Amino acid sequence: EPEVTQTPSHQVTQMGQEVILRCVPISNHLYFYWYRQILGQKVEFLVSFYNNEISEKSEIFDDQFSVERPDGSNFTLKIRSTKLEDSAMYFCASSHRQGASTDTQYFGPGTRLTVL
Amino acid sequence: EDQVTQSPEALRLQEGESSSLNCSYTVSGLRGLFWYRQDPGKGPEFLFTLYSAGEEKEKERLKATLTKKESFLHITAPKPEDSATYLCAVHAYSGGGADGLTFGKGTHLIIQP
Repeated sequence: EPEVTQTPSHQVTQMGQEVILRCVPISNHLYFYWYRQILGQKVEFLVSFYNNEISEKSEIFDDQFSVERPDGSNFTLKIRSTKLEDSAMYFCASSHRQGASTDTQYFGPGTRLTVL
Repeated sequence: EDQVTQSPEALRLQEGESSSLNCSYTVSGLRGLFWYRQDPGKGPEFLFTLYSAGEEKEKERLKATLTKKESFLHITAPKPEDSATYLCAVHAYSGGGADGLTFGKGTHLIIQP
């Protein structure tokens, strides 16, 4: 069964450093998403991406964040200058979506980011 | 602003003891309501999508239902392996496209043997 994969599973970084989180969405999916979950809190939407551009972004997704689809399979989230409060689980998701109807978003296993 | 409230926050049941989890939502226009299962340290695992009031979906010991204001996840004769956090999320219509899901805090379910 196709699944979303993410690397690394755990990333430890120093405050102020740049990190890149990587995702391989399900192969025939067209829409890609990043979410985060701070320990003990809700899963929160960050950004969606379609046709090589950002479709929607939340208030959390400020100028320190960027997303990219560098090739035909990978989808990345870059955090330019990490802060302590960026420590969280980051989930990638993908969906197929046809027409105007909603479609199921399938989530990856997550990357645990720890900022020291 | 879209809101999702799940109750109870935590639920402990004996194996075989059936119960229901609640998800109340407030959205400008519902495109879809999703139930996910999340195990500790893992990503949300898709269970069901519901689109309109009156719709029901079933999978093994789980059944999800939807009204105009809330959804229920019914668990019949649960087993210890059903222990997990169950997340409810809504996908809403809005002027901006509203691609992102809005999640509730989840219900932490423990099934004791």
